[in-house]
Amino acid sequence: DGGITQSPKYLFRKEGQNVTLSCEQNLNHDAMYWYRQDPGQGLRLIYYSQIVNDFQKGDIAEGYSVSREKKESFPLTVTSAQKNPTAFYLCASSITGEAFFGQGTRLTVV
Amino acid sequence: GQQLNQSPQSMFIQEGEDVSMNCTSSSIFNTWLWYKQDPGEGPVLLIALYKAGELTSNGRLTAQFGITRKDSFLNISASIPSDVGIYFCAGQRLNRDDKIIFGKGTRLHILP
Repeated sequence: DGGITQSPKYLFRKEGQNVTLSCEQNLNHDAMYWYRQDPGQGLRLIYYSQIVNDFQKGDIAEGYSVSREKKESFPLTVTSAQKNPTAFYLCASSITGEAFFGQGTRLTVV
Repeated sequence: GQQLNQSPQSMFIQEGEDVSMNCTSSSIFNTWLWYKQDPGEGPVLLIALYKAGELTSNGRLTAQFGITRKDSFLNISASIPSDVGIYFCAGQRLNRDDKIIFGKGTRLHILP
């Protein structure tokens, strides 16, 4: 089936550790996005990539890093520099203006 | 960053009532999108609009692309319990390489 897959759905990490969230799509979409969602809040853009080997910071990029070595993959690393990393993370891909989302990864840092 | 103004922020309605929500922007958009998010899930695309003045329906949902290209609305008719969730508008500006921008969402609650 075509789609966008995030894994894992739930992730627990100790404070001070880096953690990488996976996002894979087989829709042949050029653009991919990472959003953060806090309880009761909207979507805040962390990073986005319009093409392989290129990406831009979104509104809340501090403490996060990404790579786009393959069209299908856009992993997000939450670094120890991110002061409040516990949140719901959503990945999306798009073509011709329509974005499609994965199921999300709920990250809890203890 | 650029924002879309989505309203209302939340709504409490009775089952069977019609619902209306809208999004406005200070910039012209080439594409307007409406999504629904259920708790703990990713948003799902409901309706995509590509042309000023376009009115599109998807079952009980109807959305319109404003003539000025700076606004859009979503109507839900005869609401049912499974309509509960967060509705997001999103837009993309004239250049299709521009990032997609999201509103802050409208939280729909249905009273028993």
